[in-house]
Amino acid sequence: AQSVTQPDIHITVSEGASLELRCNYSYGATPYLFWYVQSPGQGLQLLLKYFSGDTLVQGIKGFEAEFKRSQSSFNLRKPSVHWSDAAEYFCAVGPPFSGGYNKLIFGAGTRLAVHP
Amino acid sequence: DGGITQSPKYLFRKEGQNVTLSCEQNLNHDAMYWYRQDPGQGLRLIYYSQIVNDFQKGDIAEGYSVSREKKESFPLTVTSAQKNPTAFYLCASRNGTGVRSNQPQHFGDGTRLSIL
Repeated sequence: AQSVTQPDIHITVSEGASLELRCNYSYGATPYLFWYVQSPGQGLQLLLKYFSGDTLVQGIKGFEAEFKRSQSSFNLRKPSVHWSDAAEYFCAVGPPFSGGYNKLIFGAGTRLAVHP
Repeated sequence: DGGITQSPKYLFRKEGQNVTLSCEQNLNHDAMYWYRQDPGQGLRLIYYSQIVNDFQKGDIAEGYSVSREKKESFPLTVTSAQKNPTAFYLCASRNGTGVRSNQPQHFGDGTRLSIL
């Protein structure tokens, strides 16, 4: 079955430290890939997306992600974390390889805490 | 500003009662979606609609119903048949309905439903 795995449920980093959030997917071909961020009690905001081409994609808020086909991964990175980055992060796989009706399949999320 | 409005932000349901969650978008998007979010489980698709007067069941449609009488509106009814309705409900919309459309989904700020 198609799936998205975020191995880390919680991550804590110090402000100013670098960050990498992991995402692996299980599909037969390259899907469309997304990272979303959710602040408590809020909806999801799109950070970045990958469809094709350059495997390193830049997003908003200083985030970037790298697609690695050989590892079926799409890890999110930020060189220097700010306290305002504390939130929950979701990796998602989208069409056309997500069931044929454009749904997103989400990972379970990684909750990021930032120490001052 | 264009966006997705969900109301109410908080909703309480009594045993045996149906409740309706509102979702309105002014983005002129064709496709709309309802997700349920439970702690540690990411988001799961309840229903989706690609055009007016048409909608399809997602992965967890039992106990829920929807309508799509207008392009901008996609209300979700949580019926008494849904025995565990306590969750955070998110509405999303997306431009384009083709299987290979690479437009991302945009999310509202959610409705938190609890049982009295």
